[in-house]
Amino acid sequence: DTGVSQDPRHKITKRGQNVTFRCDPISEHNRLYWYRQTLGQGPEFLTYFQNEAQLEKSRLLSDRFSAERPKGSFSTLEIQRTEQGDSAMYLCASSLAFGGQAYSYEQYFGPGTRLTVT
Amino acid sequence: GESVGLHLPTLSVQEGDNSIINCAYSNSASDYFIWYKQESGKGPQFIIDIRSNMDKRQGQRVTVLLNKTVKHLSLQIAATQPGDSAVYFCAENRPWLDSSYKLIFGSGTRLLVRP
Repeated sequence: DTGVSQDPRHKITKRGQNVTFRCDPISEHNRLYWYRQTLGQGPEFLTYFQNEAQLEKSRLLSDRFSAERPKGSFSTLEIQRTEQGDSAMYLCASSLAFGGQAYSYEQYFGPGTRLTVT
Repeated sequence: GESVGLHLPTLSVQEGDNSIINCAYSNSASDYFIWYKQESGKGPQFIIDIRSNMDKRQGQRVTVLLNKTVKHLSLQIAATQPGDSAVYFCAENRPWLDSSYKLIFGSGTRLLVRP
């Protein structure tokens, strides 16, 4: 257990429905990341937050995806109008970045939320 | 449990033998590299890291070697145990836009330990 938790662990939904996932990072970590992982691949970056500010979004994150971290603690990832191609493992990670450094190193991952769109 | 990857390169080793998992990276400006272990149904777990100003780093039973000339990274596991069976990913901290960096993962290698 890394200290990063995600909920739910599994979600099965019908195409067209909206889903929301939650991530609770390690409490003192100021950075939070979302990744997507499909079978046989490594995690792919989606977006990240420094405190409550969303600093970067991948082009993988279409308009149907939105992420928030309202108080700089937990984060939610919402997918609207789900498509079968959204089926994947959604991973959250957190890390601690000091000062104004542009990057942080060791990221701790949660167990992921497995999404299946039928 | 669910499978992380069905068509990954696989390394099969005898329990007690040493394992070597290799990884090639693409960006010579990447400054930091990490090896992660991912067991079925779980998120990636940090194993060991190395900065680009080093060529070797040792942990408990694991060693990472970095060859910047050929952009190659390897993970050596000594006295491999059944609990080492998992998928192993290398990741590079790659410079991105606006002076930021991103962690870019390789496609992974499945390690199977034979009893």
